[in-house]
Amino acid sequence: EPEVTQTPSHQVTQMGQEVILRCVPISNHLYFYWYRQILGQKVEFLVSFYNNEISEKSEIFDDQFSVERPDGSNFTLKIRSTKLEDSAMYFCASSSQGARGETQYFGPGTRLLVL
Amino acid sequence: EDQVTQSPEALRLQEGESSSLNCSYTVSGLRGLFWYRQDPGKGPEFLFTLYSAGEEKEKERLKATLTKKESFLHITAPKPEDSATYLCAVSQGAQKLVFGQGTRLTINP
Repeated sequence: EPEVTQTPSHQVTQMGQEVILRCVPISNHLYFYWYRQILGQKVEFLVSFYNNEISEKSEIFDDQFSVERPDGSNFTLKIRSTKLEDSAMYFCASSSQGARGETQYFGPGTRLLVL
Repeated sequence: EDQVTQSPEALRLQEGESSSLNCSYTVSGLRGLFWYRQDPGKGPEFLFTLYSAGEEKEKERLKATLTKKESFLHITAPKPEDSATYLCAVSQGAQKLVFGQGTRLTINP
């Protein structure tokens, strides 16, 4: 069964460093998403991406965040200068057409720890 | 602002003891309500999508139902492997999902 994959599974970084989280969405899906979950809190939407453009972003997704589809299979989230409060699980998700109400399928997550 | 509230926060059952989890939402123009299962340290695993009041979906020991204000996830004769956090999320006019806090379900053998 097709699934979303993410690398790395764990990332430890120093405050102020840049990190890139990688995702391979399900192959025939066209819409991609990033969510995050701070320990013990709700899953929160960060950004949606379609046709090489951001289609929606939350207030959390400020100038230190960026997303890219560098090739035909990968989808990345870059955090330019990490802060302690960026420590969280980051989940990538994808959906086939991005229609409203369409199911999004999630990856296993990357646990980011900022020291 | 979309609101999704799940109750209870935690539920402990004996194996075979049926129960229900609740998800109430305040969204105008609901496009879809989703149930996911999340194991510790893992990503949300899709269970069900419901689109309109009165709709029901079943999968093994789980059944999800939807009204105009809430959804229930009924679990019948649960087994220890059903222990997980169950997440409810809604989709309104945008693509983003808005999640509830989740219900942490523990099934004791």
